[in-house]
Amino acid sequence: NAGVTQTPKFQVLKTGQSMTLQCAQDMNHEYMSWYRQDPGMGLRLIHYSVGAGITDQGEVPNGYNVSRSTTEDFPLRLLSAAPSQTSVYFCASSWGASGNTIYFGEGSWLTVV
Amino acid sequence: GDSVTQMEGPVTLSEEAFLTINCTYTATGYPSLFWYVQYPGEGLQLLLKATKADDKGSNKGFEATYRKETTSFHLEKGSVQVSDSAVYFCALIPGNTPLVFGKGTRLSVIA
Repeated sequence: NAGVTQTPKFQVLKTGQSMTLQCAQDMNHEYMSWYRQDPGMGLRLIHYSVGAGITDQGEVPNGYNVSRSTTEDFPLRLLSAAPSQTSVYFCASSWGASGNTIYFGEGSWLTVV
Repeated sequence: GDSVTQMEGPVTLSEEAFLTINCTYTATGYPSLFWYVQYPGEGLQLLLKATKADDKGSNKGFEATYRKETTSFHLEKGSVQVSDSAVYFCALIPGNTPLVFGKGTRLSVIA
């Protein structure tokens, strides 16, 4: 049982380039979300999805795009990378909200130069 | 909006010392409350949780009690070990939306 799988683990981009961070879960979870972690800021929600075909914005959505065409996958797209998007990105999934356990991927370290 | 405030670190303790990391929250309704731990170079792991008032979550010697009257969920451990060195995040789920995190508290335990 793989859980939540993120790829790539490390990536260096040039300013203006685009890329997609992949996230897949094999637990048939409804809820999936993307966070970014920056020093002294904790984890901030970028986008989330409560089911296939449904997405919503979190606290810091600008510069990112998501889609949820299947239950398993929730890719995060950087449209035109900026140095301010240098961060560690975490994908998470759960059966639902409230008291259900949330599972995190191992993180993707992104540097934009 | 919904938010979590936790004590700023870093916190440095000697092995076997008592640990408290304060966490207070602001939320409408009755959120579920969580503590997550992040060891160096790793992702987040659920440490413990509580889903209603007066619930006590516990795991690996850590405890936290959901105090609705003080809107708090302080993390405690009676005797810390070097292996507890990590960043600890308090978080809540306000309803049908994802986790809201505090900024994290870095704990360093020295032998």
